Amino acid sequence: DAKTTQPNSMESNEEEPVHLPCNHSTISGTDYIHWYRQLPSQGPEYVIHGLTSNVNNRMASLAIAEDRKSSTLILHRATLRDAAVYYCILRPGGSYIPTFGRGTSLIVHP
Amino acid sequence: DGGITQSPKYLFRKEGQNVTLSCEQNLNHDAMYWYRQDPGQGLRLIYYSQIVNDFQKGDIAEGYSVSREKKESFPLTVTSAQKNPTAFYLCASSIDSGSRETQYFGPGTRLLVL
Repeated sequence: DAKTTQPNSMESNEEEPVHLPCNHSTISGTDYIHWYRQLPSQGPEYVIHGLTSNVNNRMASLAIAEDRKSSTLILHRATLRDAAVYYCILRPGGSYIPTFGRGTSLIVHP
Repeated sequence: DGGITQSPKYLFRKEGQNVTLSCEQNLNHDAMYWYRQDPGQGLRLIYYSQIVNDFQKGDIAEGYSVSREKKESFPLTVTSAQKNPTAFYLCASSIDSGSRETQYFGPGTRLLVL
């Protein structure tokens, strides 16, 4: 299975940008990169996904390295409500059921 | 509003008892999933279903059972064979199990053993 590596935790100050890294050196050409986040005692929620090109939506931006072996989730201005565990997962082409590792716990300081 | 509902929010199980966790979705999704989450850990897949009347085991299916008689519903039974059931259980659905599809999660059920 294609695997991802994320730091266990990161810290940020409110109103500052946050860059959450994810390494996926064994990614294959048809693997989509998905990001989810989980607030305390809630189910995960979708943040963003991409294949090759950088992606933007109202929640965040996803920057994908040219060789696709790493990606970065960018929160442009962190708020206290962004404190959560962020999961980076790969979804291979075709039917596949994603697994979620430990993710990165983001701490946002006021 | 469309979404996924799970009930109950908290569930207590006695030793040797089977309990059933409810998961309902009104998103018209074909695929549904059950995950287990232990404190400080990621999500582990218990069972998934890609279509009505069909389901497959995930990584930790032992001690659990499911049914998928209706598209909207995917209940999970925690049997007495599951010796350590205390965990946070999450149900999810997606349009199908394709690689581009987003998963939508319910609010979860926290199961505790008395």
